[in-house]
Amino acid sequence: DSGVTQTPKHLITATGQRVTLRCSPRSGDLSVYWYQQSLDQGLQFLIQYYNGEERAKGNILERFSAQQFPDLHSELNLSSLELGDSALYFCASSSLVVGLAGSNEQFFGPGTRLTVL
Amino acid sequence: QKEVEQDPGPLSVPEGAIVSLNCTYSNSAFQYFMWYRQYSRKGPELLMYTYSSGNKEDGRFTAQVDKSSKYISLFIRDSQPSDSATYLCAMKRGGANSKLTFGKGITLSVRP
Repeated sequence: DSGVTQTPKHLITATGQRVTLRCSPRSGDLSVYWYQQSLDQGLQFLIQYYNGEERAKGNILERFSAQQFPDLHSELNLSSLELGDSALYFCASSSLVVGLAGSNEQFFGPGTRLTVL
Repeated sequence: QKEVEQDPGPLSVPEGAIVSLNCTYSNSAFQYFMWYRQYSRKGPELLMYTYSSGNKEDGRFTAQVDKSSKYISLFIRDSQPSDSATYLCAMKRGGANSKLTFGKGITLSVRP
């Protein structure tokens, strides 16, 4: 168990809908990352938050947004869903202590499997 | 060309075999190199972590990084059925904002 929790485990919805995925990082970790994993693209970085602020953006669509709350949990919002958004969505967290070897390790949650019908 | 390329697999080996998994990359700014293991329906878990070039050994696992060739490898000795999983290489630059860039992963099956 990595200490990162994600809810829900599974989500089935229809095209055009909006969903919210939730992530609680490991205790003490200030940084949260979101990834999308699909069969054809593999694991793709979406976005990173550090202590409530956006730090880096990857291949995140404009229909997707995220935020990190004062208690450090994070939510990923996916709107106007399309069939191609069906994937596993992972959250990871790290302590992000720069300068220490091994300090940038990211610990992944169990993921949310999104199915868009 | 993708930043990180990984042999696509799948790979099936008999129990006890030595397994070699490989990735190549194109971005010379990568400094941290990792191997993640992902069991079916689970999140990736960090297996090996290497900074810059060199070898690192942990039990039956050895990670090698050759920055001059932009090539990383993971060796598994005496492979076990419990090693059956998808293995993903990942790498990142230094710095606080650095994201992980993953290979697509290779699925390994170790036959008893």
